[in-house]
Amino acid sequence: DAKTTQPPSMDCAEGRAANLPCNHSTISGNEYVYWYRQIHSQGPQYIIHGLKNNETNEMASLIITEDRKSSTLILPHATLRDTAVYYCIVRVEDAGGTSYGKLTFGQGTILTVHP
Amino acid sequence: NAGVTQTPKFRILKIGQSMTLQCTQDMNHNYMYWYRQDPGMGLKLIYYSVGAGITDKGEVPNGYNVSRSTTEDFPLRLELAAPSQTSVYFCASTKGQGTYEQYFGPGTRLTVT
Repeated sequence: DAKTTQPPSMDCAEGRAANLPCNHSTISGNEYVYWYRQIHSQGPQYIIHGLKNNETNEMASLIITEDRKSSTLILPHATLRDTAVYYCIVRVEDAGGTSYGKLTFGQGTILTVHP
Repeated sequence: NAGVTQTPKFRILKIGQSMTLQCTQDMNHNYMYWYRQDPGMGLKLIYYSVGAGITDKGEVPNGYNVSRSTTEDFPLRLELAAPSQTSVYFCASTKGQGTYEQYFGPGTRLTVT
């Protein structure tokens, strides 16, 4: 799986958009970009994933550049409860199923949302 | 629907002792995983299973064993505990091939002294 690079920490004001970047310059054509977050010592929580197109769900939006070498997770209106470590993960999804859904976590970005 | 449950929540072991961390999911998921997380670090995969009777090693399997006799349960066994195994252990599950979201349990915090 491709390696990812994220800033170690970011700050955001409550109510503003939080934009979390991720570089994955060695990503392959069959690798998806996933985002998970971990709120203070809890188990990680899935947020969103994408392959090429931008994606949006009730939690966040994912913007993937055209060359797929980087992406941005957007929390449109950050709240104090969004303070967490955010992990960007690149993972193969192959028809043969040999990746078995395994996730490789880096150190992530610590997002702190301030009042 | 309880999701993924883990027991115990906390445990202190002496060096050389053994224990089993329990993990159960009630979502009829085929794939299950064990991760460990050391302070300030990301999670590392210990073992995983793609179905009852099928297990395989992850990135850091040494010092651990697993079994999968049922779809619901995936216990992790620590033999001869060492201080290096002090960590938080997370169990996770997902439906299987073609599904994307992994569901994680609340974790077990283990200290070996």
